[in-house]
Amino acid sequence: NAGVTQTPKFQVLKTGQSMTLQCAQDMNHEYMSWYRQDPGMGLRLIHYSVGAGITDQGEVPNGYNVSRSTTEDFPLRLLSAAPSQTSVYFCASSYSIQYEQYFGPGTRLTVT
Amino acid sequence: AQSVTQLDSQVPVFEEAPVELRCNYSSSVSVYLFWYVQYPNQGLQLLLKYLSGSTLVKGINGFEAEFNKSQTSFHLRKPSVHISDTAEYFCAVIGYKIQGAQKLVFGQGTRLTINP
Repeated sequence: NAGVTQTPKFQVLKTGQSMTLQCAQDMNHEYMSWYRQDPGMGLRLIHYSVGAGITDQGEVPNGYNVSRSTTEDFPLRLLSAAPSQTSVYFCASSYSIQYEQYFGPGTRLTVT
Repeated sequence: AQSVTQLDSQVPVFEEAPVELRCNYSSSVSVYLFWYVQYPNQGLQLLLKYLSGSTLVKGINGFEAEFNKSQTSFHLRKPSVHISDTAEYFCAVIGYKIQGAQKLVFGQGTRLTINP
C-alpha cells in the first residue's frame, strides 16, 4: 500500500493564482481531512469528509474548496491564492475519526 | 467546542533523562485523546490514544500518557529519552457527541530536543 500520497511536494504561487493540491489514499478509508500547519499554531483543520459525496468545513475553511467524488481522492482547491495561505498542508485519512489518522508527507506552499 | 493547550512550546532534555510533555484540554462533552509525533520534514504519526477504559495508556517507543478527567489533562511521559526522540509532539482531542465525533483539534505542539 502506498498509504496517503500528496502532490506536489513543493509549490510557489503568485497572489491571485489558483491551484489544486492532490491527496489520495489506497486504504479504503471513509474519513479524510486537510490541515494546515503554521509555526506555533499546530495543525488547523481546513475541511473534512466522512465519505464520498460528503464534505464539511473545519476551523479555517475560507479561501479553500474541497470535493469528494471517490473514496480514494480528496483534492483541496485554492481559489485565489493569498500570502496568508503560505503554509505546509497535510492530508490525512482514517477508517473513522476515533481511529488512527494516517498523514501524507505534506505540501509546502509559498504564495508571493 | 473543544480546545487543547500544550503548556510548553519547547522542552530541552538530556539523553537518558525522564520527560513529561503537558497537555490540557477543554470540552463540554466526553473526549477521545491522542498524542502524535512529527519527525523533521515528515508527516505525523500516532504515538498513543485514549478512547475509554484504563486511564494509563501505553504507546510506541516507550511513551505513555495518563488521562486525568478531573484535571482535564493528558500528559505524555517517557522514563528515559533517546536522541532519536527529538521531534515535535502534538496533543489532539475529539469531542464525542451522540451523533458521532467528526473534528480532531490539535494543540500548538511541543518541540522536544534531546541533548547528549
